[in-house]
Amino acid sequence: AQSVSQHNHHVILSEAASLELGCNYSYGGTVNLFWYVQYPGQHLQLLLKYFSGDPLVKGIKGFEAEFIKSKFSFNLRKPSVQWSDTAEYFCAVKTGANNLFFGTGTRLTVIP
Amino acid sequence: NAGVTQTPKFQVLKTGQSMTLQCAQDMNHEYMSWYRQDPGMGLRLIHYSVGAGITDQGEVPNGYNVSRSTTEDFPLRLLSAAPSQTSVYFCASSAMGRGPTYEQYFGPGTRLTVT
Repeated sequence: AQSVSQHNHHVILSEAASLELGCNYSYGGTVNLFWYVQYPGQHLQLLLKYFSGDPLVKGIKGFEAEFIKSKFSFNLRKPSVQWSDTAEYFCAVKTGANNLFFGTGTRLTVIP
Repeated sequence: NAGVTQTPKFQVLKTGQSMTLQCAQDMNHEYMSWYRQDPGMGLRLIHYSVGAGITDQGEVPNGYNVSRSTTEDFPLRLLSAAPSQTSVYFCASSAMGRGPTYEQYFGPGTRLTVT
């Protein structure tokens, strides 16, 4: 069965610091990969997604992610975080069907 | 477009009570699903549907029932609430497909407490 691992449970950064959140998945076939963000008290919103082609994917709000097939990874990055990036971030995998499998999430706190 | 809507926003139940969480979407999506979100566990799929009259179980279906009589609506029923069902419930919808336009859209959530 597929699974998604997010090893960072809580990350605390100062504003302007760089961010990298890890995501690893286990599935041998073709996958589509997603990062969702959940701001406090809100629902999940799509940050970016990877289907095929260029493994470096750019999303909204300056976020990007790199798909490394050999490492089964899809890490999320942002060069300079802002206080408004404080949120919970979820990595998700979609295999052949329509269902998404989510990681346990990483809570990001940005200190002004 | 309202997108995906859920009611109620908050609910408190006593153990053994039943209730229905409502979910509706106005995007004509074939696929709809229910997740529960618990601290440290991410989102886990409860049930899903790929069209009117078609439903199936996800990872954690026990204690929940669903039906899909129309494309727009996908209610989640708790038959006999238990404290272990205290959680935040999200409904989501998407078009069926594998292409790069695929995206699941989420509702605002229902926070359920069972005492």
